[in-house]
Amino acid sequence: DAGITQSPRHKVTETGTPVTLRCHQTENHRYMYWYRQDPGHGLRLIHYSYGVKDTDKGEVSDGYSVSRSKTEDFLLTLESATSSQTSVYFCAISESGSGNQPQHFGDGTRLSIL
Amino acid sequence: AQKVTQAQTEISVVEKEDVTLDCVYETRDTTYYLFWYKQPPSGELVFLIRRNSFDEQNEISGRYSWNFQKSTSSFNFTITASQVVDSAVYFCALSEAAFGNEKLTFGTGTRLTIIP
Repeated sequence: DAGITQSPRHKVTETGTPVTLRCHQTENHRYMYWYRQDPGHGLRLIHYSYGVKDTDKGEVSDGYSVSRSKTEDFLLTLESATSSQTSVYFCAISESGSGNQPQHFGDGTRLSIL
Repeated sequence: AQKVTQAQTEISVVEKEDVTLDCVYETRDTTYYLFWYKQPPSGELVFLIRRNSFDEQNEISGRYSWNFQKSTSSFNFTITASQVVDSAVYFCALSEAAFGNEKLTFGTGTRLTIIP
């Protein structure tokens, strides 16, 4: 298994509160990604990082921010959570971008916004 | 824009039957990569295969085989002699090779149920 740890694994919180999800890797891979999985949509990219302090938006980035201060950690923050952000969130890592290497996924974080 | 279509939302077959999962993709790039992932009931995503656009050879791995046809923009996945452990949601995904497209575009998945 790729060394990817997501925390927390489950979280329930209220609308309007800030939430931070953490992805930690032990593979020293350059690329890290955050996806959300919703019924009928498959997985959709929120943000990704191609190096320390280098990040870019995905297709569903509104309402989310990310930070990467170390190679091994990629944080996803919901500044003010809304019910539409209830989802399962997956972190992924890859040695290189552009599909040259596969992405490997963490076990996911189930987030419920009440 | 790239797009992946998995028209089969759910499939159920009896154990030991063969089953094919369809994947059709759209891309403007000539260089791209296709993937299949498995998501068992436990929820994790497991990488199964990567194929680049220049390699149209079919691939077989045990009971799994993949048929890549550029002429029809399809990358279908066949499970031979299905087993209960094959029950999962299967995702097809596409990545374009050009720098600046560091993302996987996923299909909506096919839920496969193997009936014992």
